[in-house]
Amino acid sequence: QQQVKQSPQSLIVQKGGISIINCAYENTAFDYFPWYQQFPGKGPALLIAIRPDVSEKKEGRFTISFNKSAKQFSLHIMDSQPGDSATYFCAAVPSGNTGKLIFGQGTTLQVKP
Amino acid sequence: GAGVSQSPSNKVTEKGKDVELRCDPISGHTALYWYRQSLGQGLEFLIYFQGNSAPDKSGLPSDRFSAERTGGSVSTLTIQRTQQEDSAVYLCASSRGGGPLRDQYFGPGTRLTVT
Repeated sequence: QQQVKQSPQSLIVQKGGISIINCAYENTAFDYFPWYQQFPGKGPALLIAIRPDVSEKKEGRFTISFNKSAKQFSLHIMDSQPGDSATYFCAAVPSGNTGKLIFGQGTTLQVKP
Repeated sequence: GAGVSQSPSNKVTEKGKDVELRCDPISGHTALYWYRQSLGQGLEFLIYFQGNSAPDKSGLPSDRFSAERTGGSVSTLTIQRTQQEDSAVYLCASSRGGGPLRDQYFGPGTRLTVT
């Protein structure tokens, strides 16, 4: 069974700090690794994504680091802000034609002012 | 432009009743996905439509669940004889095409409560 494991379950960071969320997968046949941000009462919103042939991708304050040999990838939020407080999901897309997302369990981030 | 829309936003139904949930994808998006979000199971894939291809139904939890997509646009997810364990937020997503490298955009979801 294809699985994506995410940690920590919850995270509290001070404003201006770095938030780090980790994910690991157990199947090598994944082609894409997106991260989603979800606010209460809203659907998940695509934040940033990376392909397995790239080791790092940065967009503004958000960076994905990808370690193919360790089957791990992580999201770093630099200069965390209270507005970043949300639930974050990592996901992986299995190789094939559908593109269906396999999600991690989610991390609830609270950034304290 | 307009995003993915879903209706109703909330639905309360009695156990044993049938429900229909609707999804309007982003215009021009040919791929459409349904997911379910619940406390116990997290976010899980249900079904995928792409153009005129046969849908991927591998995530549907039981034969009480079905979905259709008419005219390559609007989709309806139907749950027959609802059970309390069906209570969850049902999310729809669309993308420009199928396949692993296409970004998916989610709607706000329908919160289903089965009493």
